Amino acid sequence: GAVVSQHPSWVICKSGTSVKIECRSLDFQATTMFWYRQFPKQSLMLMATSNEGSKATYEQGVEKDKFLINHASLTLSTLTVTSAHPEDSSFYICSAGPGHHPYNEQFFGPGTRLTVL
Amino acid sequence: GENVEQHPSTLSVQEGDSAVIKCTYSDSASNYFPWYKQELGKRPQLIIDIRSNVGEKKDQRIAVTLNKTAKHFSLHITETQPEDSAVYFCAASKTGGGNKLTFGTGTQLKVEL
Repeated sequence: GAVVSQHPSWVICKSGTSVKIECRSLDFQATTMFWYRQFPKQSLMLMATSNEGSKATYEQGVEKDKFLINHASLTLSTLTVTSAHPEDSSFYICSAGPGHHPYNEQFFGPGTRLTVL
Repeated sequence: GENVEQHPSTLSVQEGDSAVIKCTYSDSASNYFPWYKQELGKRPQLIIDIRSNVGEKKDQRIAVTLNKTAKHFSLHITETQPEDSAVYFCAASKTGGGNKLTFGTGTQLKVEL
């Protein structure tokens, strides 16, 4: 299957700082990537759809000025959590799928554990 | 938008028994239904999926059934083993919907010895 990587796998930061998370498709090009947030013992909640070369599409209730998404190439999308606060602590996961795959199969990155002190 | 409900939230079975997890969806245009297994702190792993043009799919001990009329689909795991213990998520998406997945709330499966 296709491979998606994320970096870093975990990060601890102080309240008020910004954190950047990278999502890469290693063996395919992805015009679209997805960013999810998962709180403990909860489901994956879609935050936004990252579109290569254009603005991201945010889900209702997600602050676009707080969660900045950049999809500058066909293999890389970044999520920047600006002015992070403890309530932003969560597991952030990206996904992407090769465009040639039938239907809508998505492959997930390993996730990034963010802890804001 | 799409809404996916999943039941039960927790499921405990004895090793060797079968486990069934059920999901319902709201958008009749949804046509792709994957199931993911997620171990603690790990990424979701696709275990099986089904397209809307078939009613059932099987892969060894795992099977999925789809009832388009009723808008529900189910995951069946037979001969459960301790390593099947994990959280299972169903999801739904549709062609033209930007490949966006809507997830169910998850089922914590525990297989007891």
